[in-house]
Amino acid sequence: AQKITQTQPGMFVQEKEAVTLDCTYDTSDPSYGLFWYKQPSSGEMIFLIYQGSYDQQNATEGRYSLNFQKARKSANLVISASQLGDSAMYFCAMREGRFTDKLIFGTGTRLQVFP
Amino acid sequence: KAGVTQTPRYLIKTRGQQVTLSCSPISGHRSVSWYQQTPGQGLQFLFEYFSETQRNKGNFPGRFSGRQFSNSRSEMNVSTLELGDSALYLCASSLTGENTEAFFGQGTRLTVV
Repeated sequence: AQKITQTQPGMFVQEKEAVTLDCTYDTSDPSYGLFWYKQPSSGEMIFLIYQGSYDQQNATEGRYSLNFQKARKSANLVISASQLGDSAMYFCAMREGRFTDKLIFGTGTRLQVFP
Repeated sequence: KAGVTQTPRYLIKTRGQQVTLSCSPISGHRSVSWYQQTPGQGLQFLFEYFSETQRNKGNFPGRFSGRQFSNSRSEMNVSTLELGDSALYLCASSLTGENTEAFFGQGTRLTVV
């Protein structure tokens, strides 16, 4: 079974608008972490934001926020005020358990920002 | 503070050869993980090292191996290269433990011809 599901292969958003990228996860471990990464065409995987399973508040990092709905097992990324430079692949990932740093990735969403 | 450094950035090898890729984690990070990214399979976990010990291994053939040194630097080796090994190989470093972020290097793009 898929542990991380990203159902949007591609998304378009106009510059300065907000966009939400969806991510659902599946785990029975009470301790887990959720990550979002941006991968531009250069290939580098850029860390955006992290949410721990025990965190009470949604994580925020500048224009990025993570809408964490634990009961629904979703961890959507919200990018506010999109910029042309936000065009890239976005991956949701999960670390499952306390004694590993292994990440399980979703299939990614290609975001394109247009003027 | 320096980020995760992977060398080399690009590599072209011939089928049957072997290759060694290197990853230097962020200073103070003791955990290093390796991933293979291909268009067909996406991002797949190869292995994870912590304090010179392999803590986890993905579902890859024995031709893929790795190690970690006492300074936390890690290497991965692929022997008897196949065309299907062409991929972007990414390394991530973490402090390890709960509530720790994982940071990636720029990757090594391996092409097998």
